[in-house]
This record gives sequence, C-alpha cells and structure tokens, in this order.
Amino acid sequence: QVQLQESGPGLVKPSETLSLNCDVSGYSISSGDYCDWIRQPPGKGLEWIGTIWHSGTAYSNPSLKGRVTISMDTSKNQFSLKVRSVTAADTAVYYCARRLYGGDIDVWGKGTTVIVSS
Amino acid sequence: DIQMTQSPSSLSASVGDRLTITCRASQDINNYLAWFQQKPGKAPKSLIYDASTLQSGVPSRFSGSGSGTDFTLTINSLQPEDFATYYCQQSKSYPLTFGGGTKVEIK
Repeated sequence: QVQLQESGPGLVKPSETLSLNCDVSGYSISSGDYCDWIRQPPGKGLEWIGTIWHSGTAYSNPSLKGRVTISMDTSKNQFSLKVRSVTAADTAVYYCARRLYGGDIDVWGKGTTVIVSS
Repeated sequence: DIQMTQSPSSLSASVGDRLTITCRASQDINNYLAWFQQKPGKAPKSLIYDASTLQSGVPSRFSGSGSGTDFTLTINSLQPEDFATYYCQQSKSYPLTFGGGTKVEIK
C-alpha cells in the first residue's frame, strides 16, 4: 500500500526557511513517478508548489518567486521541500502527493500544518 | 499559466440528487484533468484522472467527462458521504493549476 507522510516543524519564524520531508512507503521513489508538493492556506483552495521527477528534475510555481527547493533522497525513499524567506502568507497545510508518470495524482499524504509567526 | 474556473462555487443538494460540477480551462488541456474530493480537516482524495477514469475504489456514481477546455464531474444519486468540496486540476503544463473548488452542502 502506497503511503506518504509529511513531517517538519509546525512553527517557523518570519524570514526563516520552512523545511519539510515526505516519507514514502509502498513504492520506490526512483521508479518513474513524480512527487508534488501542494499547500492550502486556512480557509482557501489548493495551490501547487512544485514537482520533482524521479530523475531529480524539479519545477516550482513562479508565484513563489524562486524561494522553493525540492529534492529527493533515494536512500531514504524521501522527498524534501524548502521554502526560504517565509512570511505569514506561507501559513498553510502542506501536502505531498504521488503523481503517476504521465498522469495525475493518485495518493496524497495526510498533510502537515505550518504556521509562520514570531 | 492555464486558469481553471469551476462553477458553481457552492451548491445545496439533497441525498439522492444528481449533480454536475463544471471546470473550464483557459486553453486546451486535452484530457489532462483530475478531480479531487476534500472533506473538512482531511487531505484531498483522488477521484478521477485523465478526465474520465475513476481511481481504484471510487464508487461508480462518480463520473467525469470532457476534453479540451470543458469538463464535468457528475455524481449520480448523491450520498451523505459525498458532501464535501471538489477541485479540478490540470496537468497539461506547468505551473499545475487547480480550480477554486465547489462546496457541496446539504439542502
């Protein structure tokens, strides 16, 4: 059974870096699928943050103005997300999700809440 | 960027009703469209991919159709567990974009 689980600090200070991990079980992240990071601010809709391919190639949303780094560690079967220079607008529930090669998301993590506050 | 517009943004319906949610893309996305269901406090759940293919385990009362720019999600015989918010998402090109959501409430 494929499972994804986000983890990381729930509270980040403004101007600092938000760092999250996505631990994957049930499949190998080097198998050919993608990992998407998606967030949802309180009371709002879903926003795509970025994607990393099994090859390590990553894409991020231009709306985040180059503040995003997405990486993968095949030895840990884990993806990571970093968002630099955070503000209160980055407060959200953050999800990782598996997107099948050439297709759409099929499995989501449960999400983790990150609050940006001093 | 491809804009995804969902309508309506909310609706009230009764158990047993048939309802349709529309998603329109600002440009041709072929069939690179997915639908998700989200209940309060929970992660989204994948319902449909490639515009019309049900994810494994999704009840057959859900169906998707469309291609190009216009898509629909239909729920036949609405059940109590179907009251939720529904989102569409295009995966034709980056940045991937979601519709604004449709909240389905009990009448």
